Amino acid sequence: AQSVTQLDSHVSVSEGTPVLLRCNYSSSYSPSLFWYVQHPNKGLQLLLKYTSAATLVKGINGFEAEFKKSETSFHLTKPSAHMSDAAEYFCVVRGDSWGKFQFGAGTQVVVTP
Amino acid sequence: NAGVTQTPKFQVLKTGQSMTLQCAQDMNHNSMYWYRQDPGMGLRLIYYSASEGTTDKGEVPNGYNVSRLNKREFSLRLESAAPSQTSVYFCASILGGGARDDEKLFFGSGTQLSVL
Repeated sequence: AQSVTQLDSHVSVSEGTPVLLRCNYSSSYSPSLFWYVQHPNKGLQLLLKYTSAATLVKGINGFEAEFKKSETSFHLTKPSAHMSDAAEYFCVVRGDSWGKFQFGAGTQVVVTP
Repeated sequence: NAGVTQTPKFQVLKTGQSMTLQCAQDMNHNSMYWYRQDPGMGLRLIYYSASEGTTDKGEVPNGYNVSRLNKREFSLRLESAAPSQTSVYFCASILGGGARDDEKLFFGSGTQLSVL
């Protein structure tokens, strides 16, 4: 069984300040973990993925995430928010062997000038 | 290269009507998925097809049926639409077939369905 919990449903940041989106997971298998972003009225875009290589994963648009097995976490960060980062972000876990992807409930990010 | 193509983009149904959402991918992917997206609930898996010729239920299969017509196409059917099925529907695909190194989900642009 696998599950994913995004700890914040909404995050509001000022432009130029750091962004932290928190994600905890559970999985019976060694998981693969992903962050996806969805801009308003758009489809989903892959930001980054962890698949058992380096625990610090760099993605597109300056985002990165750190896999911490002891804490079962995969938090997403960006040092400096941009207005274009306003979107909904989904943490996704794939734990079993055939490819079932479990989505978190999403975190809505608002960026203020 | 079109990727994943979903039709229609918008649909309004009356309660009890039926319809089929179409999905096709041109990337020679093995695995295909149907998700629904509702506010505050993320994306929930309705049905999936790990490979051509197989389909299985996901988290929320009730009220839906699917057909993996061939390797490219995976359709979702609502036999008797209900207001609770008002949602945004996404089709997705991955290479699959045990290729865990290539796990990027490719999504269609979505279908916004309203059931009155």
